[in-house]
Amino acid sequence: SAVISQKPSRDICQRGTSLTIQCQVDSQVTMMFWYRQQPGQSLTLIATANQGSEATYESGFVIDKFPISRPNLTFSTLTVSNMSPEDSSIYLCSVRNRVATGEQYFGPGTRLTVT
Amino acid sequence: GESVGLHLPTLSVQEGDNSIINCAYSNSASDYFIWYKQESGKGPQFIIDIRSNMDKRQGQRVTVLLNKTVKHLSLQIAATQPGDSAVYFCAEIRGFGNEKLTFGTGTRLTIIP
Repeated sequence: SAVISQKPSRDICQRGTSLTIQCQVDSQVTMMFWYRQQPGQSLTLIATANQGSEATYESGFVIDKFPISRPNLTFSTLTVSNMSPEDSSIYLCSVRNRVATGEQYFGPGTRLTVT
Repeated sequence: GESVGLHLPTLSVQEGDNSIINCAYSNSASDYFIWYKQESGKGPQFIIDIRSNMDKRQGQRVTVLLNKTVKHLSLQIAATQPGDSAVYFCAEIRGFGNEKLTFGTGTRLTIIP
């Protein structure tokens, strides 16, 4: 399995500001994803981070609000822009290295609180 | 809409007993099913997956059963330990070319010492 790290692990931010979350994987991976998990709830896919091209966003998530970069096969960033208290959540990076498999791994998450 | 859902939100089991966590799905085109364990303050941890052409798969102390007739998935944990206390999620991947993982709502398993 891949070892995934995220920075920061947690942050408290003021509304109207932006935060960039970094995801680093210890090996090259085929697919990288970003998820959101609101307190006490399940995980929702935000987008698929595509290397060298624009991310693919799920319904309800837009690039202007959640810009994503993936410059190589081991690193990605998610920015939460113009934050509001409703953005308070855990943001998780996830990777899958092989297609046609269920083996998908998650980072430890970034706990974001917006005041 | 199509979804992956769980029957019970909470489950308490005596230490040493076996536990069964259930999950229903609605999309017959789902190709893979995965169970995750999430401990407080951590990301989901991959436990085991099963492909749609299988009925059963075993791991260390865990067994996943898939009943495609009734679109039902279960995770059995044998000889539960305090460290098994966590939230368990089932998730599905809906076939090749659609590699997105869709999560169910989660069941909180509590092991009683």
